[in-house]
Amino acid sequence: KAGVTQTPRYLIKTRGQQVTLSCSPISGHRSVSWYQQTPGQGLQFLFEYFSETQRNKGNFPGRFSGRQFSNSRSEMNVSTLELGDSALYLCASSFLAETYNEQFFGPGTRLTVL
Amino acid sequence: AQTVTQSQPEMSVQEAETVTLSCTYDTSENNYYLFWYKQPPSRQMILVIRQEAYKQQNATENRFSVNFQKAAKSFSLKISDSQLGDTAMYFCAFMKHNPPDSWGKLQFGAGTQVVVTP
Repeated sequence: KAGVTQTPRYLIKTRGQQVTLSCSPISGHRSVSWYQQTPGQGLQFLFEYFSETQRNKGNFPGRFSGRQFSNSRSEMNVSTLELGDSALYLCASSFLAETYNEQFFGPGTRLTVL
Repeated sequence: AQTVTQSQPEMSVQEAETVTLSCTYDTSENNYYLFWYKQPPSRQMILVIRQEAYKQQNATENRFSVNFQKAAKSFSLKISDSQLGDTAMYFCAFMKHNPPDSWGKLQFGAGTQVVVTP
């Protein structure tokens, strides 16, 4: 079974631009969570989607948004990029998140904002 | 709100030796899950071990074992017979049991860099 895939793996943007990151979960997984990893703040939860609905959200400004498609693929969007948005963005999928199921992580997208 | 604290930024251990990583957490919840994740230089997060709070027995996965002290809110990871491939950042993580706050949300500690030397 293929693992979680994230595209692109690397991105360079400039301040003020917007960016879209993509995450394809493991086949059959319906829950996708997104995390931001920075040296200063560590790993922080962004949001979680299940069956195309955002069910949980972390403490990030409205510039961070996401969506999930009917095939469970998910995208996250960051508008009006700031230097502090430079980070590794990780997504994780799980089979059914109503109770605990293991989260399987993708390799991440490294975003650099100049 | 829950917090997860890892007080050791870096630990060094020789091959075949044992190292113990500490993790404490703060929560008012009674039911929750605790995890140790490993992130090698490739940045791929890998689940090492998981513990359900309602289980008193400490979890074990091959060379990895935990010491879960619920009253003390402590969750340490022991790596036995360390191997060079164990070199990685190790994160302790917490997840509530009860939705909706629990849905898909892991809360991580700051991490402990483990370096295994020959």
